[in-house]
Amino acid sequence: GNSVTQMEGPVTLSEEAFLTINCTYTATGYPSLFWYVQYPGEGLQLLLKATKADDKGSNKGFEATYRKETTSFHLEKGSVQVSDSAVYFCALSGGTGRRALTFGSGTRLQVQP
Amino acid sequence: ETGVTQSPTHLIKTRGQQVTLRCSSQSGHNTVSWYQQALGQGPQFIFQYYREEENGRGNFPPRFSGLQFPNYSSELNVNALELDDSALYLCASSSRDRDMNTEAFFGQGTRLTVV
Repeated sequence: GNSVTQMEGPVTLSEEAFLTINCTYTATGYPSLFWYVQYPGEGLQLLLKATKADDKGSNKGFEATYRKETTSFHLEKGSVQVSDSAVYFCALSGGTGRRALTFGSGTRLQVQP
Repeated sequence: ETGVTQSPTHLIKTRGQQVTLRCSSQSGHNTVSWYQQALGQGPQFIFQYYREEENGRGNFPPRFSGLQFPNYSSELNVNALELDDSALYLCASSSRDRDMNTEAFFGQGTRLTVV
C-alpha cells in the first residue's frame, strides 16, 4: 500500500536559516504529492503540490520537487521566519490506490528569533 | 478560510456513548473525506463519500460510519466510543472530475475527548 516517511522533529532553526524537511514515499503508479501545514489549534492548509515527476511546487517561499527516481518530495525554504513555526505534513494521493490522502507523521518546525 | 465548516469544535463524551460529527463541504464540491488525527500523529483516512455513496474506507472498524446528504454535507458517526477514539477529526472537501480528485480543503476539525 501507499506510505509516506518524514524526518522526525522537532526541527529548531534560527530566523533566516535554510530549511529542509525530508519526505520519501512508497506508492504504485503515479501519485500526486502534497505538503500541508498545520498551525496550533487549526486544521490543515495546503502549502504546495506536484502532480507529476520533475514538477516543482512552490508557495510562500517554500519549494518541493517531485523526484520519481528517488521517490522523494523534500520541502525547502531559503530563509525561515518565526511565523513559519508549525507542523508540516507530507502526503500523497492517487497512484493505483484510493483517492484519499496518505500522510506522513508530521515534522514540527520551531523558528527562534 | 477554506469554506469547509465542522461542528462542534470540541466535544467530551463518555466511553460507550455514541457521537455524531458534522461537516459542510465547500460550495461546488461533491466529495467528502474524513480523517482521524491522534495527538502527535498524521491524519489517518477513515472513509470517503462521493455523491452520497461510500467510496473507499481506511482501516477503521464498522462502528465508524458515515452519511453524505444531497447537498454534499456529511456526518461521521462513532458508536461504542473507546478511549483511543480521542482525537482531532478532520473533514476534507474536494470535487471529482472523471477519475481525478481536485485538491482537498480541510475544515478546522472537531476535537473529541473520550473519558
